[in-house]
Amino acid sequence: KAGVTQTPRYLIKTRGQQVTLSCSPISGHRSVSWYQQTPGQGLQFLFEYFSETQRNKGNFPGRFSGRQFSNSRSEMNVSTLELGDSALYLCASSQWGVANYGYTFGSGTRLTVV
Amino acid sequence: GIQVEQSPPDLILQEGANSTLRCNFSDSVNNLQWFHQNPWGQLINLFYIPSGTKQNGRLSATTVATERYSLLYISSSQTTDSGVYFCAVEASDKLIFGTGTRLQVFP
Repeated sequence: KAGVTQTPRYLIKTRGQQVTLSCSPISGHRSVSWYQQTPGQGLQFLFEYFSETQRNKGNFPGRFSGRQFSNSRSEMNVSTLELGDSALYLCASSQWGVANYGYTFGSGTRLTVV
Repeated sequence: GIQVEQSPPDLILQEGANSTLRCNFSDSVNNLQWFHQNPWGQLINLFYIPSGTKQNGRLSATTVATERYSLLYISSSQTTDSGVYFCAVEASDKLIFGTGTRLQVFP
């Protein structure tokens, strides 16, 4: 069973640009959530999607957005990048409505904004 | 919101030693997970343990939900155990992470 796949693994962008990150969940998982990890703030929840609907959103500015497709794959977008957006972005997938075995994370996308 | 505290923040061990990591949380939660973050950043799921005790090889975990804490035990530590260990609780359909325990195991 394939795990959670995130692409790309590394990304370097310039301030003001926008970026799109992708996450493919474990087959059969319908929930995808995104987290940002920085040295100063630790691991923080960005948003969660289930069946193409955003169910929950963390305390991040509107520059951070996401979506989920009918095959459960998810993308997150950050517009007008700032230096402070440099972080490791982690995606997690989980089952819903059946026995819950928790969240499984991908390898992450490390974004550097210069 | 729910607060998650982990202790100790740093731990240095010699190979073969045992250790106990603690996670305290401030309110009732739906579930609790322990993760190990490897040097490449991936969070590896160790245990899904909302209550009770589980064991997996040299690792075991215990959660006492009524007293709002969880413990992760690492026995006979190896250098490959090095990294950051996170406890995370689920509340309102999201995970809330502690600040982690950084473990360094030396040969």
